[in-house]
Amino acid sequence: SQTIHQWPATLVQPVGSPLSLECTVEGTSNPNLYWYRQAAGRGLQLLFYSVGIGQISSEVPQNLSASRPQDRQFILSSKKLLLSDSGFYLCAWSDEGQGGFVFGSGTRLTVV
Amino acid sequence: AQTVTQSQPEMSVQEAETVTLSCTYDTSESNYYLFWYKQPPSRQMILVIRQEAYKQQNATENRFSVNFQKAAKSFSLKISDSQLGDTAMYFCAFRSGYALNFGKGTSLLVTP
Repeated sequence: SQTIHQWPATLVQPVGSPLSLECTVEGTSNPNLYWYRQAAGRGLQLLFYSVGIGQISSEVPQNLSASRPQDRQFILSSKKLLLSDSGFYLCAWSDEGQGGFVFGSGTRLTVV
Repeated sequence: AQTVTQSQPEMSVQEAETVTLSCTYDTSESNYYLFWYKQPPSRQMILVIRQEAYKQQNATENRFSVNFQKAAKSFSLKISDSQLGDTAMYFCAFRSGYALNFGKGTSLLVTP
């Protein structure tokens, strides 16, 4: 069966520090991969998605970037964090069809 | 662009009662998929139910059912025999193509 792993679960980082959040999927090949952010009390905002290795689409211009170095690995990065980057980050995967997304357990990022 | 609107920020229901959460969406697409996700306090996103737009029959999953009105672009979720474990944020979501677009959510509280 397919599983998705996301880490770390919680992160507190100072303003101006770098960021790297990692997500891996098991049990499937060539998944579509996604990064969402959820601000406190708000809905989910799509940040990036990838339909293949090296293929990254950005939905919202911002201080973050994403990379897909391997088929089932998706990384969210920042060179210098801002206070506004605080939030709950969710990784997800889906197949080529129109099925629902499967989400990781999320990372709570606090920038101080 | 597709938009998803959930007009009820908060709702409350007593245990064993029935509650309906509303969702409307805006799209020019004819083929698409609709979903309801549940996010309990753990913040894990859990797929509750999905509906294909080309199917006229409303989807049902145990105590959860939808009322899909394609012409009205409405997709409400009915929870029957509410249980304390149903307390969560509920998100309506729309998929056409790669991305899944979410509403802002409805916070549901089930009381004893």
